[in-house]
Amino acid sequence: TQLLEQSPQFLSIQEGENLTVYCNSSSVFSSLQWYRQEPGEGPVLLVTVVTGGEVKKLKRLTFQFGDARKDSSLHITAAQPGDTGLYLCADAYSGAGSYQLTFGKGTKLSVIP
Amino acid sequence: KAGVTQTPRYLIKTRGQQVTLSCSPISGHRSVSWYQQTPGQGLQFLFEYFSETQRNKGNFPGRFSGRQFSNSRSEMNVSTLELGDSALYLCASSPGTSGSRFFGPGTRLTVL
Repeated sequence: TQLLEQSPQFLSIQEGENLTVYCNSSSVFSSLQWYRQEPGEGPVLLVTVVTGGEVKKLKRLTFQFGDARKDSSLHITAAQPGDTGLYLCADAYSGAGSYQLTFGKGTKLSVIP
Repeated sequence: KAGVTQTPRYLIKTRGQQVTLSCSPISGHRSVSWYQQTPGQGLQFLFEYFSETQRNKGNFPGRFSGRQFSNSRSEMNVSTLELGDSALYLCASSPGTSGSRFFGPGTRLTVL
């Protein structure tokens, strides 16, 4: 059974600071997805990465996929209160006519104005 | 385009009762999957349906069941509720069996 570990579990920072959160897997990712979940809402997909070493940018968010495809990081530059939420990484496995997401427990980020 | 809708949004039940949760996918989406989210275990996969057929099932007891209708709407049922079933139940839809999932806001179930 694949285990996804996210760190830190909680993070509280001031507006304008930079931060990095991490996701590590016990086995190679099929493909890696990052989600953000705001209170009272479902997770929203931010990015999908497939290739080892891949780097993707989404405005102030930078996603990095490890060369061995077993780890990933999400870096946020100049955090804003709107970045507050639960950041989840997930392995997206697609095969045999089925699709399954295995999630980490997430990093809960609070950005204080 | 309307997003995924889930009803009810909040539900309170007592141990031993059963409950049915409903999910309406985005128009045109034929795949619906269900997840349970708790503080201790995080998000865990329950099952996935495509064209009224269950395609995959997570590691949950038989008290958890689901179905999908011809219009792609889905329901999940939990029988003989236990305190540990208190959770946020999330539904996600997608056009097919692969590709990105779009999540609904969830149903918050509290079992007393």
